[in-house]
Amino acid sequence: QKEVEQDPGPLSVPEGAIVSLNCTYSNSAFQYFMWYRQYSRKGPELLMYTYSSGNKEDGRFTAQVDKSSKYISLFIRDSQPSDSATYLCAMSARTNAGKSTFGDGTTLTVKP
Amino acid sequence: NAGVTQTPKFRILKIGQSMTLQCTQDMNHNYMYWYRQDPGMGLKLIYYSVGAGITDKGEVPNGYNVSRSTTEDFPLRLELAAPSQTSVYFCASSYSRSAEQETQYFGPGTRLLVL
Repeated sequence: QKEVEQDPGPLSVPEGAIVSLNCTYSNSAFQYFMWYRQYSRKGPELLMYTYSSGNKEDGRFTAQVDKSSKYISLFIRDSQPSDSATYLCAMSARTNAGKSTFGDGTTLTVKP
Repeated sequence: NAGVTQTPKFRILKIGQSMTLQCTQDMNHNYMYWYRQDPGMGLKLIYYSVGAGITDKGEVPNGYNVSRSTTEDFPLRLELAAPSQTSVYFCASSYSRSAEQETQYFGPGTRLLVL
């Protein structure tokens, strides 16, 4: 069983919709939780970073971590066609040489 | 800052050939990583380095080798290329003494096709 499981998608929504992207994990040592956005034929870029449990908001994006349930989410409000990309969750434990474990990604398409 | 740069962008290899994928970062990051990404899949760690002269295996190291002689450069060597190594390769770096040390900065990738 994989350490990190991500909702596979693909996901297609109309412009303006609220999008929820989700990952579950099994390693209770994970403390750092990241969401990366990857446009087609590009490298991943960091979108959101959260340490431990709680919520973090950045504009239209909200990252949520529930360590008790080993569940993380990324919410996108008022989705735009420019949000169309693959979203990768990643997580890591402290003192792990910065190594992150990635989910397989969810591909999102926002239709105008 | 150019960030993380990778060369070449695309390469076709014949089975049994060898090549080196280049990766350079100009952010003075001490940690560097090599990943491969197969279609529809996430990133699998091949090798990583915590500093010049120090490298270690990741999840899928077979068929690859790395070296880290400087902080900036982290080349990935493929010996005896096989079709199973057809993939997109990403190099990444991070800074261990940052509060956000777990966040990685990625290069644009190298697409490799082995025929």
